[in-house]
Amino acid sequence: EPEVTQTPSHQVTQMGQEVILRCVPISNHLYFYWYRQILGQKVEFLVSFYNNEISEKSEIFDDRFSVERPDGSNFTLKIRSTKLEDSAMYFCASSEEFDRYYEQYFGPGTRLTVT
Amino acid sequence: AQKVTQAQTEISVVEKEDVTLDCVYETRDTTYYLFWYKQPPSGELVFLIRRNSFDEQNEISGRYSWNFQKSTSSFNFTITASQVVDSAVYFCALRVHGSSNTGKLIFGQGTTLQVKP
Repeated sequence: EPEVTQTPSHQVTQMGQEVILRCVPISNHLYFYWYRQILGQKVEFLVSFYNNEISEKSEIFDDRFSVERPDGSNFTLKIRSTKLEDSAMYFCASSEEFDRYYEQYFGPGTRLTVT
Repeated sequence: AQKVTQAQTEISVVEKEDVTLDCVYETRDTTYYLFWYKQPPSGELVFLIRRNSFDEQNEISGRYSWNFQKSTSSFNFTITASQVVDSAVYFCALRVHGSSNTGKLIFGQGTTLQVKP
């Protein structure tokens, strides 16, 4: 069964550094998402991406964040100048369509720890 | 504005008990979709069910059942004869339909279910 994959599973970085979180969505999916979950809290939407551009972003997604689909398979989330409060689990998701009967399939997550 | 409320932060039951997880949602849209996800201790999000706003039929899948009531804006989840493996955090989520919709999910705070042997 096709699945969304994410690498690395755990990333530790120092405050102020840049990190890139990688995701490989399901191959025929067209809509891509990043969500964040601070430990013990709810899952929060960060950004949605379609047709090589951002279709919606939340207030969390400030100018330190960027997303890119550099090739036909990868979908990346870059965080520049990381802060302690960026520490969280980051989930990538993809869907075939954004509406109606199409679910978002989530990856296993990348745990980001900023020290 | 859209919002999902899961008022129960933690629930603890003994194995074989039935348990209901509550979910109340808010939206002004007439077309929307409701979801339940399970997050086991390993951390991944596992899709359990989707419900469309125009389909209020309740659903049963094995020991799981869902009760969708538009009149009270609730989408409750019941586990019958709970098992230790049901121990997890359960999230209710909402997705609205509309011209500005990009498919984002709005999650509730989650309910931590602990099933003791």
